[in-house]
Amino acid sequence: EVQLVESGGGLIQPGGSLRLSCAASGFSVSNIYVSWVRQTPGKGLEWVSVIYSSGSTYYADSVKGRFTISRDISKNTVYLQVSSLRADDTALYFCAGNLPFHPWGQGTLVTVSS
Amino acid sequence: DIQMTQSPSSVSASVGDRVTITCRASQGIGSWLAWYQQKPGKAPKLLIYAASSLQSGVPSRFSGSGSGTDFTLTISSLQPEDFATYYCQQAQSFPPWTFGQGTKVEIK
Repeated sequence: EVQLVESGGGLIQPGGSLRLSCAASGFSVSNIYVSWVRQTPGKGLEWVSVIYSSGSTYYADSVKGRFTISRDISKNTVYLQVSSLRADDTALYFCAGNLPFHPWGQGTLVTVSS
Repeated sequence: DIQMTQSPSSVSASVGDRVTITCRASQGIGSWLAWYQQKPGKAPKLLIYAASSLQSGVPSRFSGSGSGTDFTLTISSLQPEDFATYYCQQAQSFPPWTFGQGTKVEIK
């Protein structure tokens, strides 16, 4: 069964950093696109970043320069380093495979608050 | 960036009703359109890709149509498990990949 499982979210102060993880099973992260998508009640679903099978990476303008996507093929895991966090980065962060997005993980909550 | 606009933002319907949701792209996207269903506390689930192709395992009461800028998701006979929020997404080859704001299908 193909599956993605996120972890690493939590409560963090403005300006802080976290590393979110997306562990894959049933397929290799080296063979597909893996994206991060976040969801807030106010802004709905927002694509954040993608790492292609080639290793190329892209970011939404809202996170460019603050977030970094990477992967560890040996661990079959994709990461999202989130830095210089702001209150409006508070969201449920999902990872998702392929395009269009399938499968999705269950999400990990990031709350930015002092 | 391509903007995606869904309508209506919510719809009240009864079991057995036919429900239609529309999605408009701010510029032409060919058939690069996907539809997702999301239930409370769950991740979105892919229903339709390439505007009209049914994802494996999705019931045939769901269908999609359209191309260019105007797209439609139709549920032919609403079932109790279909009460959820539906999102469209433009899925052209190059990011950013944008979503509509969602349509909540509620029980009448």
